Amino acid sequence: DAGVTQSPTHLIKTRGQQVTLRCSPISGHKSVSWYQQVLGQGPQFIFQYYEKEERGRGNFPDRFSARQFPNYSSELNVNALLLGDSALYLCASGLEWGVQPQHFGDGTRLSIL
Amino acid sequence: AQKITQTQPGMFVQEKEAVTLDCTYDTSDPSYGLFWYKQPSSGEMIFLIYQGSYDQQNATEGRYSLNFQKARKSANLVISASQLGDSAMYFCAMRGKNRDDKIIFGKGTRLHILP
Repeated sequence: DAGVTQSPTHLIKTRGQQVTLRCSPISGHKSVSWYQQVLGQGPQFIFQYYEKEERGRGNFPDRFSARQFPNYSSELNVNALLLGDSALYLCASGLEWGVQPQHFGDGTRLSIL
Repeated sequence: AQKITQTQPGMFVQEKEAVTLDCTYDTSDPSYGLFWYKQPSSGEMIFLIYQGSYDQQNATEGRYSLNFQKARKSANLVISASQLGDSAMYFCAMRGKNRDDKIIFGKGTRLHILP
């Protein structure tokens, strides 16, 4: 079975641009979460979606938005990119939301010039 | 507020030795889950082991075991018989069971296995 898949793997953008990152969860998983990992730090929670509804949001500005589709895949959108948005963006999926572990994709490495 | 603390930024261990990675946590929730993830230099986060707050037994997965001491709010990862491929960043994480709960990660411990 395929794991969590993310696209693209790498992305280079300039300040002020907009970006869309995509995530397909493990088959049967209904929960998708997004994390930002800046170099040298642990991942920081951005969003969680379950059954197409937002179920949690981290301390990120409104420039960050996401959605989940009927097939449980998800997109993360970031507008008006800043240099500080350069990071590894990780998507994780889980069977439900709650205390169960999540399984991560390989991430999208976003570089802002 | 929930918090995860990993006090070892880096560790060097001889191959085949056992290694313990420290993790302490803070939460007021009665129900929570504790996780360990491995992140090689390639970047992917690999789930290693999970411990529920109400689990009576310490979790084990192959060479990985979690030394769960609830009263001390400690969830150390023990890797037995370390291998060169264990060299990576290791993150301890926690998640509550409430609707708005999110996974909180520690800052990680970089483990180097020496041949």
